[in-house]
Amino acid sequence: DAGITQSPRHKVTETGTPVTLRCHQTENHRYMYWYRQDPGHGLRLIHYSYGVKDTDKGEVSDGYSVSRSKTEDFLLTLESATSSQTSVYFCAISDPGSGGPTDTQYFGPGTRLTVL
Amino acid sequence: GENVEQHPSTLSVQEGDSAVIKCTYSDSASNYFPWYKQELGKRPQLIIDIRSNVGEKKDQRIAVTLNKTAKHFSLHITETQPEDSAVYFCAASRNQGGKLIFGQGTELSVKP
Repeated sequence: DAGITQSPRHKVTETGTPVTLRCHQTENHRYMYWYRQDPGHGLRLIHYSYGVKDTDKGEVSDGYSVSRSKTEDFLLTLESATSSQTSVYFCAISDPGSGGPTDTQYFGPGTRLTVL
Repeated sequence: GENVEQHPSTLSVQEGDSAVIKCTYSDSASNYFPWYKQELGKRPQLIIDIRSNVGEKKDQRIAVTLNKTAKHFSLHITETQPEDSAVYFCAASRNQGGKLIFGQGTELSVKP
């Protein structure tokens, strides 16, 4: 599973509260990604990082911010959660460190977020 | 913008039959095409991928074909088994470390 963990795995929160999801990896992968998964939409990229302090927006970045202050952690923050952000959030990594191609992505176990 | 269309959205086959899932992409610069399998409540798992310099790739009962001219690629599963039942996603990417654009998913059901 490429050494990826996500925390928390489940969270219920209320509209307007801040929420931070954590993705942690242990194998020094350079690239990290945050996706959300909703029925009928597949997986959609929120933000991604190509190194420490280097991040860029994906296709559904509004309402989300990210930070990567060290290689192993990529944080996703919802500054003020809304019901439309109820979803399953997956972290992914690429560049597995084995000399393989950098475009193959491997996913973490996911976080189910419910915003009431 | 970049888009990947996937069909069908649901597919039901009898055990032992073949299943085919098709995807069309819009960005002609796309050069990497992975397929993921996702079982209920689990993470997406990479099952096979193909790069633009190859027209076909096989791995046991699974094969992927790519037609760059038509900008479509397909997943073929032969001799389907009940454990093949899952949601399958195609995706496309244009550069290393960059964005994967996913299709909407196909729910495959293999009936014993």
